[in-house]
Amino acid sequence: EVQLVESGGGLVQPGGSLRLSCAASGFTFSNYWMSWVRQAPGKGLEWVANMKPDGNEKYYVDSVKGRFTISRDDAKNSLYLQMDSLRVEDTAVYYCARTTAFDYWGQGALVTVSS
Amino acid sequence: DVVMTQSPLSLPVTLGQPASISCRSSQSLVYSDGNTYLNWFQQRPGQSPRRLIYKVSNRDSGVPDRFSGSGSGTDFTLKISRVEAEDVGVYYCMQGTYWPRYTFGQGTKLEIK
Repeated sequence: EVQLVESGGGLVQPGGSLRLSCAASGFTFSNYWMSWVRQAPGKGLEWVANMKPDGNEKYYVDSVKGRFTISRDDAKNSLYLQMDSLRVEDTAVYYCARTTAFDYWGQGALVTVSS
Repeated sequence: DVVMTQSPLSLPVTLGQPASISCRSSQSLVYSDGNTYLNWFQQRPGQSPRRLIYKVSNRDSGVPDRFSGSGSGTDFTLKISRVEAEDVGVYYCMQGTYWPRYTFGQGTKLEIK
């Protein structure tokens, strides 16, 4: 059974940093593109970033470029999102998703950016 | 960037009645391989999104056959033949043609009238 479990969410002040993790199981993690998708409170879904299996290609939505970094550790079957220079508007639930047309999603991690 | 526009944004439906959601893209979603990468997701209250339909009309495993997807080019539709109480939630279309960047529609909230 495919499982994706996010962790690392929490409350952080504007300008601060946070690192999200996504632990994957039930499939060969190293074969798949993986993505982060976020959902601000009461709002819709927004693709944030994704990464090729070999790690050589990474893509970001314009609003997080230069502030967020996606990475992965295939030996640990884990995906990460390092979020720096956080803004109030980054407040959201962050989901990791297997990027075969987003067929599997985690339960999400809440990130709250507030003073 | 490709913009995905859904309508309506709110959809009150009587139990047992049909429902239809439209999704339009600002550019054709036909990829160079001939496939059209348009997916539909359901998000029930308090839950993560769940994929229902991929490549326009292919139902995911476990999705009831009352859900169907259709369309081509820039115009797509998700239909529910007879709405049940468990169908309450928000429905999103998403394009994957212009990968590796993906875009979602605004979402359509289905509620029981």
